[in-house]
Amino acid sequence: GAGVSQSPRYKVAKRGQDVALRCDPISGHVSLFWYQQALGQGPEFLTYFQNEAQLDKSGLPSDRFFAERPEGSVSTLKIQRTQQEDSAVYLCASSRTGTRAGEQYFGPGTRLTVT
Amino acid sequence: DAKTTQPTSMDCAEGRAANLPCNHSTISGNEYVYWYRQIHSQGPQYIIHGLKNNETNEMASLIITEDRKSSTLILPHATLRDTAVYYCIVRVASNAGNMLTFGGGTRLMVKP
Repeated sequence: GAGVSQSPRYKVAKRGQDVALRCDPISGHVSLFWYQQALGQGPEFLTYFQNEAQLDKSGLPSDRFFAERPEGSVSTLKIQRTQQEDSAVYLCASSRTGTRAGEQYFGPGTRLTVT
Repeated sequence: DAKTTQPTSMDCAEGRAANLPCNHSTISGNEYVYWYRQIHSQGPQYIIHGLKNNETNEMASLIITEDRKSSTLILPHATLRDTAVYYCIVRVASNAGNMLTFGGGTRLMVKP
């Protein structure tokens, strides 16, 4: 079946521009996570949704980062007034609940380059 | 979540078994050991997880020591496509909101 998809795959933004990154999770997956991966590092947690509720946003680095999942399926990560330090790969993952919650399915990521 | 320690890099000959170690000496009783891998330019991929018994699936085997302070991921017949960064993660299995905490992982290079 279809996996997690993300768009765009690549995004170049000039410093100060706003960007929106989209994630389509696996159908029926209740949980959705966003991670940020800097070059040469492991992914780092940004935020978590259970259905449409954003239950954890402790990893968002600043108030310029905003995420939503209004209908409990597709999610959008928005970054306002982008800075060069925002350059990274942004990964989305979805999972079931219960004992298989640790099996997260990742999308291919969106590579954001801020110039 | 408990911290894990993995070697930075390892090499393996194609067709041989790849044994990737992980130390997690502070693991709690309700924490599972998860393994993920990330092939270049792709998102991480779930491989396997276990609590205390050894586990095997179509991708790999997971051996957890009796004291649960360390584990080994085994790829029985490594191929060039297994070249990736392998992450060992410990987390509570049933907590849906518990994010994955990735460390540096082990960069496995499978060579012809």
